[in-house]
Formats: sequence, structure tokens, C-alpha cells
Amino acid sequence: AQTVTQSQPEMSVQEAETVTLSCTYDTSESDYYLFWYKQPPSRQMILVIRQEAYKQQNATENRFSVNFQKAAKSFSLKISDSQLGDAAMYFCAYRSANSGNTPLVFGKGTRLSVIA
Amino acid sequence: GAVVSQHPSWVICKSGTSVKIECRSLDFQATTMFWYRQFPKQSLMLMATSNEGSKATYEQGVEKDKFLINHASLTLSTLTVTSAHPEDSSFYICSARRGGYNSPLHFGNGTRLTVT
Repeated sequence: AQTVTQSQPEMSVQEAETVTLSCTYDTSESDYYLFWYKQPPSRQMILVIRQEAYKQQNATENRFSVNFQKAAKSFSLKISDSQLGDAAMYFCAYRSANSGNTPLVFGKGTRLSVIA
Repeated sequence: GAVVSQHPSWVICKSGTSVKIECRSLDFQATTMFWYRQFPKQSLMLMATSNEGSKATYEQGVEKDKFLINHASLTLSTLTVTSAHPEDSSFYICSARRGGYNSPLHFGNGTRLTVT
């Protein structure tokens, strides 16, 4: 079974600064997807960014980018120019691409605080 | 706008009663929906995979007789917590994939269940 590990329960960053959230995963599969989801106090799950394992190029979405290291099974999220609205729980997630409609496997999350 | 609607947003019930939570896919058909549970300050744990027209697939440790899932149409899955107990108090979130297997999951807004 696949597992996702987020080793930082909490992180904080100054407004306008950059922060990196760590994520590692364990899998024997070669084809899969990786995601970062944001969960603000409203509890709504919001997709931040996704990465296909077969793509070497790191995904980028505006201020959010990832450092995908397939061999190391590492998938960190970098948030640049942090804003107060970035404060939330961030979950790293894995999904197999091998068979059909597979669910997401989540890490335990990192609570990000943004300091004004 | 929202593509997955979940109702109710919150519910309080007494021990021993049953509670039904609805998950609807808006303007798309979802043959598969996923039900997650999230305890306070914890991650999302997959409870079951709901399949339209067939029995749900439950994760290990999830009691199928206690958490009844009915996926009677292509746009609606329901989760019924039967004979609820205080330890069932949690946040329940459904999700569905809009589009092919390569598409990201969309999440409902979740249901906060409190059993007194």
C-alpha cells in the first residue's frame, strides 16, 4: 500500500516570504499522480497543484511550485510571496494511475501560519 | 463554482439515531464517489468507495453495517450513519471525479456530525 508522509506538523512564514512544505511518499508503482491540497478553516478541500509522475518538469501554479524528485520519492511545495490567505492546513496526496478510478491517499498535513 | 454538493453541512443527533448525508455531483455524472472521514486535527481517511449500481467497497476497519452507502443514481451517493454513537462524531467529506480517470477529484464542503 502507498503511504504519504508529511514530517512538518506546523510551519510558519512571514508575509511576503517563501516557505517550503515537505512531503515524501512510498510506492512501488511507476505511474501515479501527486497533489497538494489546501484546507482553510472552512474545511473545504482546495486543489493547489498536481504533478504527473511521468513528467520531469516541476508543476507551477502562480506562487505555488513543486520540487518533484521521483527517485527520492519527494514532492515538496514551495509557496512564494506568502499571503495571509495562504494560512491553512496543507495536505500532500498520492493517487495511483494504474487502474481506474482510484482514491487519494493523504498525508497527515502541515498547518501553515502566515505572520503579518 | 462548486461541482460537488454535500448536505447537510452540519448535524447534531442523539445517540442511537441514524443520520443520512447526501453527496451530489452537479452537472456531471459520477459512477464512483469516495467518502472520507476527518477527525479533529487529523488527515482525511478513506472510508469507502461508492459505486453506482453496485455495492460499496469499504476500507479495512470500517463497519459496512454501520456506515451504509447507497449510490442509486449517477449523481447521488448517500452515507447513512446508523445507530450513531459519540465516537462517530467527525467531519465527513465526499468527493467525485469530474471527467476521465486523469481528472482531479472535487470535494464536497463536508458534513460535521456531532452525536450527543
